Amino acid sequence: AQSVTQLDSQVPVFEEAPVELRCNYSSSVSVYLFWYVQYPNQGLQLLLKYLSGSTLVKGINGFEAEFNKSQTSFHLRKPSVHISDTAEYFCAVSYGGSQGNLIFGKGTKLSVKP
Amino acid sequence: GAVVSQHPSRVICKSGTSVKIECRSLDFQATTMFWYRQFPKQSLMLMATSNEGSKATYEQGVEKDKFLINHASLTLSTLTVTSAHPEDSSFYICSARLDRGIKNIQYFGAGTRLSVL
Repeated sequence: AQSVTQLDSQVPVFEEAPVELRCNYSSSVSVYLFWYVQYPNQGLQLLLKYLSGSTLVKGINGFEAEFNKSQTSFHLRKPSVHISDTAEYFCAVSYGGSQGNLIFGKGTKLSVKP
Repeated sequence: GAVVSQHPSRVICKSGTSVKIECRSLDFQATTMFWYRQFPKQSLMLMATSNEGSKATYEQGVEKDKFLINHASLTLSTLTVTSAHPEDSSFYICSARLDRGIKNIQYFGAGTRLSVL
């Protein structure tokens, strides 16, 4: 079965430190990859997406992610985090040829401390 | 662009009543919308795929008679939780897919917090 794994359920980090949130997916010929952010009691906001082309994608709020096909990974990074980045982050995959259904990881809670 | 509005944001109701949640695509047409349920500190679980003008497709384990979905227009889908019980308390989120362009991109509403007393 197709799946998405977010290896870390919680990531605590100090303000202005770099952060990486990990995401791996089960292998497939073609995938579309997404990172969403969810602030408390809110819906999901699209951070960035990989559809095709360059494997390094840049998103909003200074985040970026790199698609690594050989490792079936799509890790999210930010060189310097802010307190306001504290939120839940979800990795999601949509498989090519599908009807667009998203498969979500379980989420990573990023906690930025002063 | 690509804004999805979900209403209400929060609802508290008595056990046995029905609750309707609306999901609207404000600036685009969406033949397909999705309804998710999110339990505390967990990921989103797809409940059903809503298709304009046809019956919704429910995921395994989701009671279609409990969670009624109506997608009567290209910009509106509704989820009705019928005869709600405390175990139906949850965070419900809808999303909409653009009819034009990449079909694998979904835009999400802000969610509805349902509390059944």
